[in-house]
Amino acid sequence: DIQMTQSPSSLSASIGDRVTITCRASHVFITTLNWYQQKPGKAPKLLIYAASSLQTGVPSRFSGSGSGTDYTLTISSLQPEDFATYYCQQSSDILPFTFGPGTTVDIK
Amino acid sequence: EVQLVESGGGLVKPGGSLRLSCASSGLSFTSAWMGWVRQIPGKGLEWVGRIKSKTDGGKIDYAAPVKGRVTISRDDSKDTLYLQMDSLKTEDTAVYYCTTDRYGALDHWGQGALVTVSS
Repeated sequence: DIQMTQSPSSLSASIGDRVTITCRASHVFITTLNWYQQKPGKAPKLLIYAASSLQTGVPSRFSGSGSGTDYTLTISSLQPEDFATYYCQQSSDILPFTFGPGTTVDIK
Repeated sequence: EVQLVESGGGLVKPGGSLRLSCASSGLSFTSAWMGWVRQIPGKGLEWVGRIKSKTDGGKIDYAAPVKGRVTISRDDSKDTLYLQMDSLKTEDTAVYYCTTDRYGALDHWGQGALVTVSS
């Protein structure tokens, strides 16, 4: 299986801060890397697909980049509704799909 | 608007069985690839499996921890996805989410169904 790691595991930030979360895969893969946001008691929500494409309806302060084994999710200016846990997920042709362990963003 | 609504969760004893349903609306279910993801409360996300559309071959894939114990199926006439779980273990206790699968991006999620396996 392709293992996914994320860093940091948690971070504290203030409104307006620029936040960057990184995700690394154990193997180089060709297909896609996706990012999700999950708030307590809610289902995850797709933010970014194919590493850098913004899902419909997601604010443009969210962006994704990367290729090969290393990817990043950036929130350009943190808003109150962005405090949540973020997961990366690889969806290569090699099943199973696997998720990173998550990064919790909370209020400083 | 796409809606996925899971039902069928509950408390079951180890070794027991349970079937989850996921009723969909607002999407072309017949052509959709569908899947299941689970989450142990307070923990991370784990992919359970997926089923392709019949027009794309209908192939079903499972994660190793559940293979042989769960069956994913679909009823396109009812726009409904199923997860039949047998020989349940305590470690299968989790919230189970139904998802759409768009080339590996899970773009719509249900609200989740809690399955508790306990004696």
